[in-house]
Amino acid sequence: EVQLVESGGGWVQPGGSLRLSCAASGFTFGNYAMSWVRQAPGKGLEWVSVISGNSLSTYYADSVKGRFTISRDNSKNTMYLQVNTLRAEDTAIYYCVKVQRVSYYFDAFDIWGQGTMVTVSS
Amino acid sequence: EIVLTQSPATLALSPGERATLSCGASQTVSSGYIAWYQQKPGLAPRLLIYDASSRATDIPDRFSGGGSGTDFTLTISRLEPEDFAVYYCQQYGNSPPSTFGQGTKLEIK
Repeated sequence: EVQLVESGGGWVQPGGSLRLSCAASGFTFGNYAMSWVRQAPGKGLEWVSVISGNSLSTYYADSVKGRFTISRDNSKNTMYLQVNTLRAEDTAIYYCVKVQRVSYYFDAFDIWGQGTMVTVSS
Repeated sequence: EIVLTQSPATLALSPGERATLSCGASQTVSSGYIAWYQQKPGLAPRLLIYDASSRATDIPDRFSGGGSGTDFTLTISRLEPEDFAVYYCQQYGNSPPSTFGQGTKLEIK
């Protein structure tokens, strides 16, 4: 079964940091670009970042550029999102998502994790 | 950045009726790279349609997508009770960034 499981969310004060993880199973992880998508409470979806299968290419939304860093360890079938200098507006569920097709950086997202909640508040 | 505008914001229909949801783009979406997702409360979104008109795996054929350029639609031919949810469109043809519409809530009339 193809599965993505996120972890690492929690409550943090403004300016703080967290490291989110996404454990993948059921597919050849290194063949696919992976992304993070977030959803603020009661709001819509926002694409955050993408990393290519070989980690050579990464892209970020302007809202997180310079504060968030995406990475992956294909030997562990795991993707990460280091989130620094957190702001109240970063409060959201963070979903780990798999792009649908091999060799695509930007594609439809065919597999979603259950999400991990990040709450930024003093 | 392409802005996607979904209409209507809320659509109230009865089971058995036909639903048509719209997604308008601020500029032409390259290669018609539009996807549609369904999200139910407390759950992650689920991919329904990709490349504007291709159904994802295990999606019933009552769901269909169409359109090109800047105007795209998701049609549900006969609504089932489980279809009432929020629907999002996404463009991935002019990226980065990939962008989503603000969503259409399909509710029971």
